[in-house]
Amino acid sequence: DAKTTQPPSMDCAEGRAANLPCNHSTISGNEYVYWYRQIHSQGPQYIIHGLKNNETNEMASLIITEDRKSSTLILPHATLRDTAVYYCIVRVGGGSNYKLTFGKGTLLTVNP
Amino acid sequence: DAGVIQSPRHEVTEMGQEVTLRCKPISGHNSLFWYRQTMMRGLELLIYFNNNVPIDDSGMPEDRFSAKMPNASFSTLKIQPSEPRDSAVYFCASGRTSGVQKFFGPGTRLTVL
Repeated sequence: DAKTTQPPSMDCAEGRAANLPCNHSTISGNEYVYWYRQIHSQGPQYIIHGLKNNETNEMASLIITEDRKSSTLILPHATLRDTAVYYCIVRVGGGSNYKLTFGKGTLLTVNP
Repeated sequence: DAGVIQSPRHEVTEMGQEVTLRCKPISGHNSLFWYRQTMMRGLELLIYFNNNVPIDDSGMPEDRFSAKMPNASFSTLKIQPSEPRDSAVYFCASGRTSGVQKFFGPGTRLTVL
């Protein structure tokens, strides 16, 4: 699986958009980008995933660059409850029967 | 839907004792995963099952660790004998082969004294 690089921490003001970057310069053509988050003391939670097109769901948007070497997770209106560690993971395959390898992620702190 | 259920939520034991962690996946899910999380090593995949069959156990740290899935609705992770370095939060997750998401349980916080 391709390696990902994320900043260790970021801050965001409540109500503003949170933009979390992820570099995956060695990604191959059949690898998907997944985002999970882990709120303190809870299990990780799936947010979104994509292959090459931008994706949006009720939680977030995922913007993948045209060369697929980086992506950005966007939380459009961050709330205090979005304070969590966000993991960007690159993995072959779109089914759930696959291994997810978690890195250190980005600790997003949403401030009032 | 109750989500993934793990028990116990907290376990404190003494070194050398046997520890058994339990997981009930979401009904209808056919993949099950055991993860361990520590401050030093982060989230590590220990083992995963598909249709009750172990697919990859390369993350199991030692022979002291074993996992079983006797049926589609139950899995155990056993540590025998336990050691202080096994102290961690153990997460169970499940998913459908045809799906995308993994659903994680609330975790079991294990402390080995």
